Amino acid sequence: QQQVKQSPQSLIVQKGGISIINCAYENTAFDYFPWYQQFPGKGPALLIAIRPDVSEKKEGRFTISFNKSAKQFSLHIMDSQPGDSATYFCAAPQPGYSSASKIIFGSGTRLSIRP
Amino acid sequence: DVKVTQSSRYLVKRTGEKVFLECVQDMDHENMFWYRQDPGLGLRLIYFSYDVKMKEKGDIPEGYSVSREKKERFSLILESASTNQTSMYLCASRPRDRVFHYEQYFGPGTRLTVT
Repeated sequence: QQQVKQSPQSLIVQKGGISIINCAYENTAFDYFPWYQQFPGKGPALLIAIRPDVSEKKEGRFTISFNKSAKQFSLHIMDSQPGDSATYFCAAPQPGYSSASKIIFGSGTRLSIRP
Repeated sequence: DVKVTQSSRYLVKRTGEKVFLECVQDMDHENMFWYRQDPGLGLRLIYFSYDVKMKEKGDIPEGYSVSREKKERFSLILESASTNQTSMYLCASRPRDRVFHYEQYFGPGTRLTVT
C-alpha cells in the first residue's frame, strides 16, 4: 500500500501567521498532489492541487511547495485567519488502479487559528 | 454545483443490527466511494464502485458490503454492526473521464454510533 505521510497531526497558529503542513510520499508515479479542506460538520472539499513538474503553485493565500527529489510537498497558508480553522488532508491519486483510481489521503492536520 | 447527499447525519444503532447508509449524487458520476474517517487515521477507503452493479474492495472492506443498483445511489451496509464500526462515514463521487481525476465530491458525512 503506497502511503502519504502527513504532519503535524494538529497545529495552532496565531492570526496573521503562516501555517505549514507537510506531506511525504513514496510512489514516484503519482501525477497530482491535491489538498483537501474539511470544516466541522462538512465533507472534505478540494482546496488546491499541484503537478510534480511544478515546484510551486499559489492560489490566494494558499501555496503548495513541491520538492520532487525529497518526495515531499507542503501547504503554506499565509496571513492565517480564524476562518481557515479546519482539518487539512494531503492526497495523491493512485495511478493505474482499475478504472477508478483510488485517492490516497494523509492522516489529516487539525489547524486552529487563534484570534 | 455537484451535490452528494447522505441519508442521515447522525445514527445510533445497537450491536448486531443491520445498518444501511445511503448516498445519492446528482451529477451523473460513474465513480462512487465510501470512506470512514477516524481521528489520526485520515480517510480510509471501504468500497468503491465504478459503474452500476460494479464494486471493488477498498482498504478496509471487512464487515461491510455495498450495493449500487442505480447510477446515482450507492449504499453501504453493515451486516452486523459492532462497536468498532463507530465512526464518521463519508460518501464521495467523481466522474470517470476528467482531466483533474483527483477531484472528488464528498457528502456531509454520517456519524454512526454503535452501542
